[in-house]
Amino acid sequence: QVQLQESGPRLVKPSETLSLTCTVSGGFVSSGSYFWSWIRQPPGKGLEWIGYFSSRGTTNYNPSLKSRVTISVDSSKNQFSLNLSSVTATDTAMYYCAREPYGDYDAFDIWGQGTMVTVSS
Amino acid sequence: DIQMTQSPSSLSASVGDRVTITCRASQNIRSYFNWYQQKPGKAPKLLIYGASTLQSGVPSRFSNSNSGADFTLTISSLQPEDFATYYCQQSYGTPRTFGPGTKLEIK
Repeated sequence: QVQLQESGPRLVKPSETLSLTCTVSGGFVSSGSYFWSWIRQPPGKGLEWIGYFSSRGTTNYNPSLKSRVTISVDSSKNQFSLNLSSVTATDTAMYYCAREPYGDYDAFDIWGQGTMVTVSS
Repeated sequence: DIQMTQSPSSLSASVGDRVTITCRASQNIRSYFNWYQQKPGKAPKLLIYGASTLQSGVPSRFSNSNSGADFTLTISSLQPEDFATYYCQQSYGTPRTFGPGTKLEIK
């Protein structure tokens, strides 16, 4: 059974880069037909899709964050990562990694437990 | 971007009640539509995908119907474990977008 686990610093200073990693177990990040996504949720608010890296090697980012986001994959470690640059307090959120099988109908079927990141000096 | 709206934003109901939550997409998204349930402190859980298919393990009291760009989640008989926040989401295009959520509370 595929499981996802986020890791990374819980506290990031304003203007710095937020870096998180999602480790995939029970499956392979570079095989199959999947989008490997990052999604965030500010405290008490709704869900915002950040972007994905596909198992075919393409990326797609939310235009609202595109200038600051990079999602990459390390197949040797079976991980995918999020870098979000020039963070401000508005980037404080729970960050989730999720798997989205693509094909007939796409949906986020497996989620990590999430990691809370606070942007503060 | 495809905008997703939900109503109501919150709802109070009792165990055994039949409950409906509505979501509307800003354009035709065909059946690229999903529902999620989120409990406090937990990641969202996929309930229904492709507008009609129950995710494995999800009880049959959950169902979705749609008419054009309007989608309706029905819980036929509320159980104590169903009190949570529900989000709709479209996967027709990018960016993927979610509705603002409906918080289902115990009356």
